[in-house]
Formats: sequence, C-alpha cells, structure tokens
Amino acid sequence: SQQGEEDPQALSIQEGENATMNCSYKTSINNLQWYRQNSGRGLVHLILIRSNEREKHSGRLRVTLDTSKKSSSLLITASRAADTASYFCATDRVRGSTLGRLYFGRGTQLTVWP
Amino acid sequence: GAGVSQSPSNKVTEKGKDVELRCDPISGHTALYWYRQSLGQGLEFLIYFQGNSAPDKSGLPSDRFSAERTGGSVSTLTIQRTQQEDSAVYLCASSQSSGRYNEQFFGPGTRLTVL
Repeated sequence: SQQGEEDPQALSIQEGENATMNCSYKTSINNLQWYRQNSGRGLVHLILIRSNEREKHSGRLRVTLDTSKKSSSLLITASRAADTASYFCATDRVRGSTLGRLYFGRGTQLTVWP
Repeated sequence: GAGVSQSPSNKVTEKGKDVELRCDPISGHTALYWYRQSLGQGLEFLIYFQGNSAPDKSGLPSDRFSAERTGGSVSTLTIQRTQQEDSAVYLCASSQSSGRYNEQFFGPGTRLTVL
C-alpha cells in the first residue's frame, strides 16, 4: 500500500517561476526521499531528508519536513523547461515494514512552459 | 556498469505466455527492489532482496509472479501465463544496503505489453 500522497497531482507553470509540491504520509518514518521521473522511465534520486532534519537544500531544490504534520514539501526555484517531469516522494516506515523498503506516492506531474 | 541495467527495454508478448525480465544492479549493492508502474500511476512495490536474507515478497500480486536473485547480484522477475493487466513498466532498483538512509538507484525499466 502507498505511504505518501503528493499534491497537486499536476502543476503547470512558466519558466522562472517557483514550483512547490507537497507530500503527506501516514506513519512514523526514518527518512523521506524525493525522486524525479522523465517520460515514464527510471527514477532519479533528488534528495533525502532524515526525520530529525527540518530543511535541506540542493542547488535549486529545497525540501522541508514537518514530522508533527507528517508532511514534506519540495520547492524548485527558478524553474526551467527541463524540470518538466513527474516528482515522487517516498518514505520508509519505522515499524511494520522491512528495513529499507520505500513507499512511493502517485507523483506530481510538473510541466514548465518556456 | 555504472548504473542499474535492465533487459529487455521493451517486451511485447501474447496473453498466456511466460516472460522473464532481467536486472543487473550496481556492483556491490546488496539490496535489490522490483516495482511495477502502470500508465500514469505511482510505483507498486513487488519484491525486495537484501543480501542472503529471505526476500520480502509481500508485493507480488499473484502466484504467477516470482523473482530470483542469483549470487546476490543479477535478478530475474518471471511472470507466468501473462494477462493483459500485467502490461506496465517494470522497474528495478538497487541500494548500497538496507539501512535507514539509503537512496535507491533505478534502472531504465522494461516496458511490458501483453496483447
């Protein structure tokens, strides 16, 4: 069963704008990860944030984590047409699951128009 | 190789036939995962291998699905008596271990079409 749920399901913006995607999950986690997928093929890991971290940056990416609300957000600043892709959040579970197994949401489809 | 590889990249088969999908993980990665992704959907977990431990098969949708991992490296996902609902992209991923903070590296996937 899925653990994370992203919203919105789809997001359409112009180049240069910021894109914010959200993820909510249900159980206690050790970490939350964001992945990107182009054209329905393999996923590429973007960033991992641990449960004891609140914010993390990587280039134009900013991820926040609020464990009290069981939610995370991914912000892409100054978006480019090349950022067009599907973005997935994935979490593990502290209990009730095999260590190392990740649970993925359904993803947010981001379209950035030139 | 530098990344996870999968073969074939595309497979078209007739309903009722068996298919085998192959995954070569990154060298040295002890954990290997299989997922399925139907059109426009998220990833559905299928099976997870970690070292010599018994695999987590809890995601396999039916007994027509099975997977092996030989020598702790290459894995084969077998689907017997394929059905049209098996059509999807099958993704394999590996990670360095099964610890709490390991990212998964994905292969390009095998697109399976069952006619």
